[in-house]
Amino acid sequence: RKEVEQDPGPFNVPEGATVAFNCTYSNSASQSFFWYRQDCRKEPKLLMSVYSSGNEDGRFTAQLNRASQYISLLIRDSKLSDSATYLCVVNMISGGGADGLTFGKGTHLIIQP
Amino acid sequence: EAGVAQSPRYKIIEKRQSVAFWCNPISGHATLYWYQQILGQGPKLLIQFQNNGVVDDSQLPKDRFSAERLKGVDSTLKIQPAKLEDSAVYLCASSLTRTNTEAFFGQGTRLTVV
Repeated sequence: RKEVEQDPGPFNVPEGATVAFNCTYSNSASQSFFWYRQDCRKEPKLLMSVYSSGNEDGRFTAQLNRASQYISLLIRDSKLSDSATYLCVVNMISGGGADGLTFGKGTHLIIQP
Repeated sequence: EAGVAQSPRYKIIEKRQSVAFWCNPISGHATLYWYQQILGQGPKLLIQFQNNGVVDDSQLPKDRFSAERLKGVDSTLKIQPAKLEDSAVYLCASSLTRTNTEAFFGQGTRLTVV
């Protein structure tokens, strides 16, 4: 079965620092990519979609490398409120039907004051 | 706009008992997902519906789990009989279509099997 792999961390980062996560996916037919954020004991919520050309939303930058099958998330000027688990998500639509959103296990980020 | 509604929020049952979870997706969302999230892991897809049809249930343990979405709106997920390893949060999510769109999650049902 296709997989999405992430370093589970935890990443302990001082406030104000820049932190980057990578995620690799095994299925080259994957078509859309996302980063979700999940706070402790809460449901996942979309942080940002990841486009082939790369995209930026404030302090967050996402990149996609289809040739190497990896996705990255960069957080600049990290805030205490960025502490959460970041889930890499891949969506593949196969000829026989959608395979649904496949989640990685998540990377746990702790921003320290 | 109302979000994805799930009930109950918490459930404690003994092993070998049965349990059912309910989900009401966002109005107009054709795609509905059920995920199982075990503590410390990412959500694992159990089943995906497109309207009232199943498009992926390859990871659903069909000997004990079943799900339906009869009218293409609400959905129920049932476990019968439950095992200790079924203890997890069961998340329902919906999206407008199955391609390239954001999935919105409910708050989940936390199941403890004792």
